[in-house]
Amino acid sequence: QTVVTQEPSFSVSPGGTVTLTCGLSSGSVSTTYYPSWYRQTPGQAPRTLIYSTNRRSSGVPDRFSGSILGNKAALTITGAQADDDSDYYCVLYMGSGIWVFGGGTKLTVL
Amino acid sequence: EVQLVESGGGLVQPGGSLRLSCAASEFTFSSYEMNWVRQAPGKGLEWISYISSRGYTIYYADSVKGRFTISRDNAKNSLHLQMNSLRVEDTALYYCVRLHSGYDGSPYWYFDLWGRGTPVTVSS
Repeated sequence: QTVVTQEPSFSVSPGGTVTLTCGLSSGSVSTTYYPSWYRQTPGQAPRTLIYSTNRRSSGVPDRFSGSILGNKAALTITGAQADDDSDYYCVLYMGSGIWVFGGGTKLTVL
Repeated sequence: EVQLVESGGGLVQPGGSLRLSCAASEFTFSSYEMNWVRQAPGKGLEWISYISSRGYTIYYADSVKGRFTISRDNAKNSLHLQMNSLRVEDTALYYCVRLHSGYDGSPYWYFDLWGRGTPVTVSS
């Protein structure tokens, strides 16, 4: 069974840059997995940040960018702000209508 | 307002059944593929089911296959999830989620609209 991997936690200083990754337990992530990224704050539904690897969802500031780095999808946040302190999830399309979320990364801004 | 509103969650004993519903408003529901995604308390997101815009194509995660049934009523702008043989590990917040798909030089798919979720607790 394919597992989508994310760093359980990460920290960044205000104004700093952080890159979160999304990998596979077996194999490499490519654009054909249509990786997308979501941010979730406690008690709220997830919000789309990035889709199809590197496209920003409407209203998302350009501080957020997506890419493929090596064999993983990546979400880079530049100029981190206090309200970026959230959980971040990636999801990959496995084909045949199946989507698999990563376990999520808890980002702390301090 | 464009939104999805889930209902039908509650407390049920192991082995029991529950039917979740999702009401869509202010968009052309029949044009969109829909999904259910759940989140166990303190845990991450888990995709569990997909249904095509007309309901002809359906997929399930292995964790719910054979126990859950997704359906939709485009005339009533509603999505449903019939959950049978519920287990303690099905305890979660269940989200109704719209899939946005299209093509602008290359195809894209992503979950673009989420409801607030309806809680399901399976416990004796």
